[in-house]
Amino acid sequence: DAMVIQNPRYQVTQFGKPVTLSCSQTLNHNVMYWYQQKSSQAPKLLFHYYDKDFNNEADTPDNFQSRRPNTSFCFLDIRSPGLGDAAMYLCATSRDGQGSDTQYFGPGTRLTVL
Amino acid sequence: GQNIDQPTEMTATEGAIVQINCTYQTSGFNGLFWYQQHAGEAPTFLSYNVLDGLEEKGRFSSFLSRSKGYSYLLLKELQMKDSASYLCAVIDSNYQLIWGAGTKLIIKP
Repeated sequence: DAMVIQNPRYQVTQFGKPVTLSCSQTLNHNVMYWYQQKSSQAPKLLFHYYDKDFNNEADTPDNFQSRRPNTSFCFLDIRSPGLGDAAMYLCATSRDGQGSDTQYFGPGTRLTVL
Repeated sequence: GQNIDQPTEMTATEGAIVQINCTYQTSGFNGLFWYQQHAGEAPTFLSYNVLDGLEEKGRFSSFLSRSKGYSYLLLKELQMKDSASYLCAVIDSNYQLIWGAGTKLIIKP
């Protein structure tokens, strides 16, 4: 089945220790998104890629970086995690990011910062 | 600014009907999505509306009034597995998806 896969599902890191979250998709979609979602809040868009064209949201902290080496994979790097970065990180894809294009989500990675 | 408003929490009884409202003020409008999100899981797509009116899909229906900036999600014959958060999201004129904080729906036997 075509899907969006995120690894790991649960990630524990220490304050200030870099961490990388990964996402892969078999849907062959052009657009990939990274969201941060804290409890009982709306998902907050961090970045999105249209193919390899990178789009950074204006209020995404510099501590967050992203890479998309090919169509199928996308990575989220948190250079120096703080306690406030503990959240669910959601990867999503869409076909072309236009109009009625639905976003399909992976299962998420729950990040704990100790 | 852009804003999506939904009730924070609602409670309903198994077998009943519940309506979850969403009002929005956004820069432009290119459609409205409803997603379901179970605790600790990712959102899953429920419906998309871009024209006024009611879209029915099994036990779930979604309604849109663009002139009023208003939508609702109607859930019929509620089941315990419908306990989840329901997120309303609007596509603005830049094709950005603007999310509401979600409505936590609690189903009681």
